[in-house]
Amino acid sequence: TQLLEQSPQFLSIQEGENLTVYCNSSSVFSSLQWYRQEPGEGPVLLVTVVTGGEVKKLKRLTFQFGDARKDSSLHITAAQPGDTGLYLCAGPLSGNTPLVFGKGTRLSVIA
Amino acid sequence: DAGITQSPRHKVTETGTPVTLRCHQTENHRYMYWYRQDPGHGLRLIHYSYGVKDTDKGEVSDGYSVSRSKTEDFLLTLESATSSQTSVYFCAIRVGLAASTDTQYFGPGTRLTVL
Repeated sequence: TQLLEQSPQFLSIQEGENLTVYCNSSSVFSSLQWYRQEPGEGPVLLVTVVTGGEVKKLKRLTFQFGDARKDSSLHITAAQPGDTGLYLCAGPLSGNTPLVFGKGTRLSVIA
Repeated sequence: DAGITQSPRHKVTETGTPVTLRCHQTENHRYMYWYRQDPGHGLRLIHYSYGVKDTDKGEVSDGYSVSRSKTEDFLLTLESATSSQTSVYFCAIRVGLAASTDTQYFGPGTRLTVL
């Protein structure tokens, strides 16, 4: 059973379009993190959301944590080819437990 | 990159041979992790360490062992490699004071092929 479900799995869009990817769970998380991974490299942390309902913005990226802390979304405005990559959500189930990762959304932005 | 290196970066080996992957950090962080990444499965935790000689199993630990005799080094060993262990292996460290807000920094990965 996958604790964190990400959708869609794959997304191919044209430069300038907007998109949203989702990370859902039936479990409550104390926080959720979003990572981006480029080919041949390790994931890199983009943001951590901690409070239910929290919204964080990172330039054209907007992250939201659900009120019940069971889901999160990532919205990209005016996507650019540089946004291409694998987007992973992750979170600790409790305390000091290791992060659990979703399977990721692979985004391709075509110029 | 938080001073994480992995070696080797690429390895091809034969079924049944032992393989050891090394993760080295330069900043003395307590928590270190080994993951494998496979298409359709995402990142899965193999083993992790919370201090010298303190390790615990992750989701996919069968066929793998780890050792941490020094803070800076975390070794992953495949005692007898199988083709199902062909994967990309990532080491990570945890930086911060609280699990819920800590950042994990990942190494560059090791691509292992078992023939």
